[in-house]
Amino acid sequence: DIQMTQSPSSLSASVGDRVTITCRASQSISSYLNWYQQKPGKAPKLLIYAASSLQSGVPSRFSGSGSGTDFTLTISSLQPEDIATYYCQQSYSTGDTFGPGTKVDIK
Amino acid sequence: QVQLVQSGAEVKKPGASVKVSCKAAGYTFTGHNIHWMRQAPGQGLEWMGRINPNTGGTNYAQKFQGRVTVTRDTSINTVYMELSRLRSDDTAVYYCARVGISAAGTFDPWGQGTLVTVSS
Repeated sequence: DIQMTQSPSSLSASVGDRVTITCRASQSISSYLNWYQQKPGKAPKLLIYAASSLQSGVPSRFSGSGSGTDFTLTISSLQPEDIATYYCQQSYSTGDTFGPGTKVDIK
Repeated sequence: QVQLVQSGAEVKKPGASVKVSCKAAGYTFTGHNIHWMRQAPGQGLEWMGRINPNTGGTNYAQKFQGRVTVTRDTSINTVYMELSRLRSDDTAVYYCARVGISAAGTFDPWGQGTLVTVSS
C-alpha cells in the first residue's frame, strides 16, 4: 500500500496569514492527490482534486500544487471559517488512503 | 441535489454485527461507485471498501477482509455496509461517499456519518 504522511500535524495561525500544509506519498502517485476539509462533527468536504484543481464552490484562497511524491495545500489568507482538519488522499491505487490530517486553528 | 443519507446511530455488544445503510438521491444510482470509510474518535479517516452499484462488484481493504460485506439494493437506491464480529475498537463514525464527478478517485459527496458504538 501507498503510505501518506502530512506535516505539520497541527498549526495555529492568525487571521489573514498564509498557511501551507505538506503531504508526502511513499511512492510516486503522479497527480492523483486530493485534499479534504473536515470541520468538527461534520463529514469531509472535497477541496482540491488532481493535486491542483479547485472543486466547484471552494473559495479561491485555497490552492494545491505538487506531483510525484510531494504536495502542498495553501490557504492564502486564513479565515475563521477555515478552522478544520485537512486530509490528503491518494487516488493512484486501490485501497485509497488518507494522510493522518493537519489540524488548523486560530492563534 | 446529489445526496447520501445514512441510517441512525447504533449501539452494539462485542461479537455482534452492525448493518449501516446509505440511500442515494439526485443522480443515477448505478452510475457511480460508493465507498465506505470510518473515523474512530479523535482519529483520521480509514478506507474500508467500495461497491459498483451497477454490477455489485466489491473491493475491501485487507484489514477488513472476512468481516465486512458491502451490498446494494438497486430498487431503492441504497447501499449497505455490514461489519461482523464487532470489537470495542470498531467504535467509530462510518461514512459512505460517492465517487466524485470532478475526477476519478475523489469522494464527493459524503453521507452525514453513522456513529457505531461497541460496548458491553
